[in-house]
Amino acid sequence: DIQMTQSPSTLSASLGDRVTITCRASQSISRWLAWYQLKPGKAPKLLIYQASSLESGVPPRFSGSGSGTEFTLTISSLQPEDFATYYCQQHNSSPWTFGQGTKVEI
Amino acid sequence: QVQLQESGPGLVKPSETMSLTCTVSDSIYRYYWTWIRQSPGKGLEYIGYVYHSGNTNYNPSLKSRVTMSIDTSKNQFSLKVTSVTAADTAVYYCASDRGSGYFDYWGQGTLVTVSS
Repeated sequence: DIQMTQSPSTLSASLGDRVTITCRASQSISRWLAWYQLKPGKAPKLLIYQASSLESGVPPRFSGSGSGTEFTLTISSLQPEDFATYYCQQHNSSPWTFGQGTKVEI
Repeated sequence: QVQLQESGPGLVKPSETMSLTCTVSDSIYRYYWTWIRQSPGKGLEYIGYVYHSGNTNYNPSLKSRVTMSIDTSKNQFSLKVTSVTAADTAVYYCASDRGSGYFDYWGQGTLVTVSS
């Protein structure tokens, strides 16, 4: 299985901050990477797929980049509703695997 | 927008079989229907998918204990996990996959606790 490693595990930030989360794959996954936002008690939300494609309805302050084994999710200006846990997921080869998550907190 | 809702017992005894159902608001013919779980304090784990044809794909780590099925007449699909242990305690999510291996719609998740 492809191992996905995120950093940092926890990120402390303030409103308006630019935030960057990194995800590394144990082998090349081309651009087959997705990002999700999870909040307790709510349905997880797809943010980005194929490394940089913004899912419909997702605010443009979210962006993704990278290819091969290294990827980033950037939030350009942190909003109150963005405090959550973010996960990357490779969709290059089954079984699909996720990173361990990055919690963005105040 | 597709809506998904998980249902099933929240408490299962060790060694028993856990069963969950996901009800879908959209056409069940459109997507690959997936189960994902998140164990307490751990990350997300892909369990597998079922297609409207009945075709399935399971994560090898769980394949020996997992069965997925689909009922197109009820717009529902299901998950069974046999011989459960405490390690199967998790929030279980159902989700849709357009066929590209990522998940565009999710349910809110249901907590299943394995305990005597």
